[in-house]
Amino acid sequence: AQKVTQAQTEISVVEKEDVTLDCVYETRDTTYYLFWYKQPPSGELVFLIRRNSFDEQNEISGRYSWNFQKSTSSFNFTITASQVVDSAVYFCALRGGYSTLTFGKGTMLLVSP
Amino acid sequence: DAGVTQSPTHLIKTRGQQVTLRCSPKSGHDTVSWYQQALGQGPQFIFQYYEEEERQRGNFPDRFSGHQFPNYSSELNVNALLLGDSALYLCASSWGGGAQETQYFGPGTRLLVL
Repeated sequence: AQKVTQAQTEISVVEKEDVTLDCVYETRDTTYYLFWYKQPPSGELVFLIRRNSFDEQNEISGRYSWNFQKSTSSFNFTITASQVVDSAVYFCALRGGYSTLTFGKGTMLLVSP
Repeated sequence: DAGVTQSPTHLIKTRGQQVTLRCSPKSGHDTVSWYQQALGQGPQFIFQYYEEEERQRGNFPDRFSGHQFPNYSSELNVNALLLGDSALYLCASSWGGGAQETQYFGPGTRLLVL
């Protein structure tokens, strides 16, 4: 069975602060894929990143960065210099082998001016 | 390049009725997955269609059924609606449906059952 845990239900920061969203996963698959999605109030899930289990390189895209650590089964997401437009619910998701895409419960990020 | 589209955007039904939701995949995609997202929760997988066949199914009752057409578009049907079926229904498309494939989501259909 697969499981994704996002322990932070809601995070509030002030604009320009850095913020890290935590994601811990469980899977028995040796090959698996991790994803982050952003869901603004409109409801559409916006794809942010996909990471393969055999590639532990961290990735940076603009103000976004991801830290993947197989040793701790974590795939954390950091937003540097947060902006009001970053306010949304962020979901971490996992898929391995022939299993289905499993989502965490999401972390609501509120960035105030 | 059109993304995933869904219709209708909102729907209000009463208990016991039946509903059909529609999805057109992103250009070049051949696989469609459906998810139910209850308020405050993450999306839950309903089923996936590939080559007009249901390939995988989540833990949902038979009241939930679907179909995929030759042009890869898909429908989700829910019979005998319950109050608990009120949710955001999301469609996602991908190519091939393999685990490594990124699923791209549509804007969803908000269903309210009264």
